[in-house]
Amino acid sequence: DAGVIQSPRHEVTEMGQEVTLRCKPISGHNSLFWYRQTMMRGLELLIYFNNNVPIDDSGMPEDRFSAKMPNASFSTLKIQPSEPRDSAVYFCASSPEGLTNEKLFFGSGTQLSVL
Amino acid sequence: AQKITQTQPGMFVQEKEAVTLDCTYDTSDPSYGLFWYKQPSSGEMIFLIYQGSYDQQNATEGRYSLNFQKARKSANLVISASQLGDSAMYFCAMREGGTGRRALTFGSGTRLQVQP
Repeated sequence: DAGVIQSPRHEVTEMGQEVTLRCKPISGHNSLFWYRQTMMRGLELLIYFNNNVPIDDSGMPEDRFSAKMPNASFSTLKIQPSEPRDSAVYFCASSPEGLTNEKLFFGSGTQLSVL
Repeated sequence: AQKITQTQPGMFVQEKEAVTLDCTYDTSDPSYGLFWYKQPSSGEMIFLIYQGSYDQQNATEGRYSLNFQKARKSANLVISASQLGDSAMYFCAMREGGTGRRALTFGSGTRLQVQP
């Protein structure tokens, strides 16, 4: 069974450009999470969805960030306009129901560099 | 306040020795889960072990065991018989069960280096 699939693996863009990160969760998983990892701030939750509905977006840094989950098998994280401080590794993760004892299955991450 | 605290930014251990990575947590929720993940230099996040707040026994998974001390709010990871491939970042994480929040909160991590 395929794991969580993220694309692209690497993205290099210039400041001001729009960036779209994509995620396909594991089939049958109803909870989807977007995390950002930086040296300074570690792993931060940006947003998570349950049954395609955003449950908590309090971690989204600002209005430049938006996330959607149009169906159970696809989610996007968009940054518009991008800034150099957005450079980080962005992870998508999923779990079956988001219950207390469920581990998260992580994708390979997208390494974003904004020049 | 920090929910998860990992006080050891870096640790060294000799191959074949055991090592303990510290983790303390803060929650008022009686129901919660504690997780450890490994992140090698390749970057992927690998699940290692889970401990539930109501579990009576410490969790074990192969060479990994969790020293769960509920009263002290600590959940230390013990790796026995260290191998060179254990060199990686290790993250402790918690999910609280009673607030409706279902995301994991991660600590800052400990970088483990296994020396031959």
